Amino acid sequence: EIVLTQSPATLSLSPGERATLSCRASQSVSSYLAWYQQKPGQAPRLLIYDASNRATGIPARFSGSGSGTDFTLTISSLEPEDFAVYYCQQRSNWPVYTFGQGTKLEIK
Amino acid sequence: QVQLVESGGGLVKPGGSLRLSCAASGFTFSDYYMSWIRQAPGKGLEWVSYISSSGSTIYYADSVKGRFTISRDNAKNSLYLQMNSLRAEDTAVYYCARDPGGLSSSWGQGTLVTVSS
Repeated sequence: EIVLTQSPATLSLSPGERATLSCRASQSVSSYLAWYQQKPGQAPRLLIYDASNRATGIPARFSGSGSGTDFTLTISSLEPEDFAVYYCQQRSNWPVYTFGQGTKLEIK
Repeated sequence: QVQLVESGGGLVKPGGSLRLSCAASGFTFSDYYMSWIRQAPGKGLEWVSYISSSGSTIYYADSVKGRFTISRDNAKNSLYLQMNSLRAEDTAVYYCARDPGGLSSSWGQGTLVTVSS
């Protein structure tokens, strides 16, 4: 099983700041990594697929990078609505998907 | 637009059974493989099961193998999850998802299953 480890567990920032979230895979997942945003009581919302491609309707302030085992989600300038939990997910080992444990982005 | 609507969740006693449904609309259901993914209260996401577009290929997570059965009815645009021998640790919101993490990814809003005496 491919294990995804996200860091940090919690990130405290202020609106307007830059957020950098990390996801590390236990083995290479090539570029088959996605990022989701989840708010309380809602389903996960796809932000990035295949490491660096923004999903439909996702603002340009969200960007993804990386390949192999190390990936980053960057939010260039935080908006109030961006404070949520973020998950990474691999589909390299399709169809056995795995998810990271999540990073909570909270208002400082 | 793509829509996935889960139903069938509820409260069930340990050892009991429940059948979840997922109604798909807005796309050609028979063209897509589908998965069930769950999220225990306050926890992260866990993939549960996969079914190919025709239904001929199926996979399960080890945690549910032998207890859960995934199926689909392409004529009814519906996905199902039959859950037997339920345990407290199966308590979660269950999501149906198309192509999780891919270009055509789409998730439903989820249905809550609570296993408790």
